[in-house]
Amino acid sequence: AQKVTQAQTEISVVEKEDVTLDCVYETRDTTYYLFWYKQPPSGELVFLIRRNSFDEQNEISGRYSWNFQKSTSSFNFTITASQVVDSAVYFCALSEHTGNQFYFGTGTSLTVIP
Amino acid sequence: EAQVTQNPRYLITVTGKKLTVTCSQNMNHEYMSWYRQDPGLGLRQIYYSMNVEVTDKGDVPEGYKVSRKEKRNFPLILESPSPNQTSLYFCASSLSLAGGYEQFFGPGTRLTVL
Repeated sequence: AQKVTQAQTEISVVEKEDVTLDCVYETRDTTYYLFWYKQPPSGELVFLIRRNSFDEQNEISGRYSWNFQKSTSSFNFTITASQVVDSAVYFCALSEHTGNQFYFGTGTSLTVIP
Repeated sequence: EAQVTQNPRYLITVTGKKLTVTCSQNMNHEYMSWYRQDPGLGLRQIYYSMNVEVTDKGDVPEGYKVSRKEKRNFPLILESPSPNQTSLYFCASSLSLAGGYEQFFGPGTRLTVL
């Protein structure tokens, strides 16, 4: 079973629109960690944020915000006032405190149209 | 500069010709890992290593070997490459996985097997 599901394969928005990227995870561990990574067209993987399972506070960093909800096993990522430079593939990921692996979703390709 | 390096960045080879992709990190990280990225499948873990001389299979280990003789190096070996191993490969390292630390990724190696 897929531990991390990113149901949105591709999203296109017009510049300055807000966009939310969905991430649903599955784990039996009570302690786990969630991550978002960005992969711009140049190909490198850039770490954006980490959240542990005990911290359900939403986080905002500039135009980026993350909504962690344990009740729905979701860790969604919102970009406010999107810009062309936000065009990238975004990956959600999970690691479990008792596990040895790191699980990625299949990614959401975001295109911001000028 | 803290970094993960991979070599080569690009490689075209033929079926059956053994090859090694090197990976090195200079952050004294315990955890290292190899992923392959394929369209629509996201990043899938091939092998990981919790520390020196400790390696284990990820989700797609068939056709690959690894070794961890030194903390900084984690080479990926394809003994007899086949066309279905054509992919983009990433090496990553993390201080440890149990603490929920993020992974740092190398720049990627694009492999084509003819």
